[in-house]
Amino acid sequence: GAGVSQSPSNKVTEKGKDVELRCDPISGHTALYWYRQSLGQGLEFLIYFQGNSAPDKSGLPSDRFSAERTGGSVSTLTIQRTQQEDSAVYLCASNERGTYNEQFFGPGTRLTVL
Amino acid sequence: AQSVTQLDSQVPVFEEAPVELRCNYSSSVSVYLFWYVQYPNQGLQLLLKYLSGSTLVESINGFEAEFNKSQTSFHLRKPSVHISDTAEYFCAVSGSNDYKLSFGAGTTVTVRA
Repeated sequence: GAGVSQSPSNKVTEKGKDVELRCDPISGHTALYWYRQSLGQGLEFLIYFQGNSAPDKSGLPSDRFSAERTGGSVSTLTIQRTQQEDSAVYLCASNERGTYNEQFFGPGTRLTVL
Repeated sequence: AQSVTQLDSQVPVFEEAPVELRCNYSSSVSVYLFWYVQYPNQGLQLLLKYLSGSTLVESINGFEAEFNKSQTSFHLRKPSVHISDTAEYFCAVSGSNDYKLSFGAGTTVTVRA
């Protein structure tokens, strides 16, 4: 079946612009996660959704970052007023509740802020 | 909360040689352990996982990892690597009653002929 998909695969933007990153999880997966992979920083948890609600937003680095999920499916991560330090690969993952936490990852969106 | 330490950031290895990637974790609760692999320009793929039962787990492409509770380790090994094993490898842990994965910083394996 189809895996987790993310779009765009690459995004280049200018400092100060807003960007939206999209994640389409595996059909039927109720849990969705966003991570950020920066050079030298490893994988950093950003936010977790269960259905449409986000019980854990603890990893969002600032109030410029927000995310929503509608219909228990697609999620959008929005970064407002982008900064150069936001440059990273943003990864989305999904899984079913109760599946021992194995997460299925998308290919990521590479964001470059000039 | 859990944390993961991958002791080696870069591991160069010759083709057909063995490789071991070290992973140690800290946790006060029962854990699930995972190794993910990221090939160049691709997303993360699950390589193998420990949930319970036998402490030695294997993947379909020859990797194995052993859960050692007393040493809080989950080292990854392969007896003979191929050029195609060149990738970045991430160790991850979650509490058995948790949802979040905590990842190590990753180990880049470069296999040379």
